[in-house]
Amino acid sequence: TQLLEQSPQFLSIQEGENLTVYCNSSSVFSSLQWYRQEPGEGPVLLVTVVTGGEVKKLKRLTFQFGDARKDSSLHITAAQPGDTGLYLCAGDGRDGGTSYGKLTFGQGTILTVHP
Amino acid sequence: GAVVSQHPSWVICKSGTSVKIECRSLDFQATTMFWYRQFPKQSLMLMATSNEGSKATYEQGVEKDKFLINHASLTLSTLTVTSAHPEDSSFYICSASRQGWSEAFFGQGTRLTVV
Repeated sequence: TQLLEQSPQFLSIQEGENLTVYCNSSSVFSSLQWYRQEPGEGPVLLVTVVTGGEVKKLKRLTFQFGDARKDSSLHITAAQPGDTGLYLCAGDGRDGGTSYGKLTFGQGTILTVHP
Repeated sequence: GAVVSQHPSWVICKSGTSVKIECRSLDFQATTMFWYRQFPKQSLMLMATSNEGSKATYEQGVEKDKFLINHASLTLSTLTVTSAHPEDSSFYICSASRQGWSEAFFGQGTRLTVV
């Protein structure tokens, strides 16, 4: 059973298109992180969302945490080839508290942006 | 963000030999470090959690005697793959966190190839 369902698993789009990646769970998380990973490298933290309903923006990336803190989304506007990579959502503190970095990961979304 | 350094970035070893991978937190003291294994185009699979000065906690199905973890200081954890076999070839990634943090910060990963 996957505790964090991430979708879609694969996304292939043209430069300039918009896209949204979803991360859903039946559990409540204290916080949720989004990471981006390039081949042969470790994941890099993009953002942490903590408050239900919170929206954070990072240039063309918009992250949202659901009101009930069970789901999150990542929206990319006008995707560029440089956005290509594996995007991972990860939750901390399932059902409250904190896991002190022991994250629950989604399956990942492989995004390919074609020029 | 906090910096975690993993070494080596890649290693090739002969079947039956042992390989040690180091994970260092460079600008913070990591009370907890995590070791993951990642297969191509997949998410991270947690192998074990290590706390400074105590024995590592292994996830179900991970062989303790094969994957030896030592967390001797607040800035260094090591993973030793003992008697490596070709099926141990994979991408190994460490992350580090500390008490009070919800995020974890990742090393660059180590590509292990056993021939």
